[in-house]
Amino acid sequence: NAGVTQTPKFRVLKTGQSMTLLCAQDMNHEYMYWYRQDPGMGLRLIHYSVGEGTTAKGEVPDGYNVSRLKKQNFLLGLESAAPSQTSVYFCASSYGPDSQETQYFGPGTRLLVL
Amino acid sequence: QQQVKQSPQSLIVQKGGIPIINCAYENTAFDYFPWYQQFPGKGPALLIAIRPDVSEKKEGRFTISFNKSAKQFSLHIMDSQPGDSATYFCGGGSNYKLTFGKGTLLTVNP
Repeated sequence: NAGVTQTPKFRVLKTGQSMTLLCAQDMNHEYMYWYRQDPGMGLRLIHYSVGEGTTAKGEVPDGYNVSRLKKQNFLLGLESAAPSQTSVYFCASSYGPDSQETQYFGPGTRLLVL
Repeated sequence: QQQVKQSPQSLIVQKGGIPIINCAYENTAFDYFPWYQQFPGKGPALLIAIRPDVSEKKEGRFTISFNKSAKQFSLHIMDSQPGDSATYFCGGGSNYKLTFGKGTLLTVNP
């Protein structure tokens, strides 16, 4: 089992460019999450999904869109990148609806917006 | 509104010392309090977690102490080792979501 994988590992964008970050999990988890991690800010939830075809906003959703067309994949899109979106992005997944379920994190995508 | 406040931001101890990281929460709907450990360049991984009906949980060298009335909980690392050097995040969970503290960078010197 690969667990949670993220593509790409690192990306540099110019302001205004768009890109999609891909998260894939092979654990048959129902729930998936996108977080951003910034120095001194901890992990902040961007969007999450409670199942295939569903998405919901988290704490910091502005400037991002997501899609969950397949259960194993969760995509995070930046339509028009801004320098404020420079961050490390982590995807996570968990088995079920219980908040006490362990969230399994991917290795992260480091994004630099110039 | 910061729902989970974590302190200190950074902590340096000598090998064998007992670092303590503290968290305070505001949301009384939280029903799960995990600690995640993150090594440089890696994603966070669950270290230990506690439910609010328990006052203490121990797993190996790691112990969570929980004070429901004070809405505070803490992580103690016994006999700390250089390999414990990492960033630690506390969290509060409700409605299948986690809210994390800002993290504590722990350095254990040999």
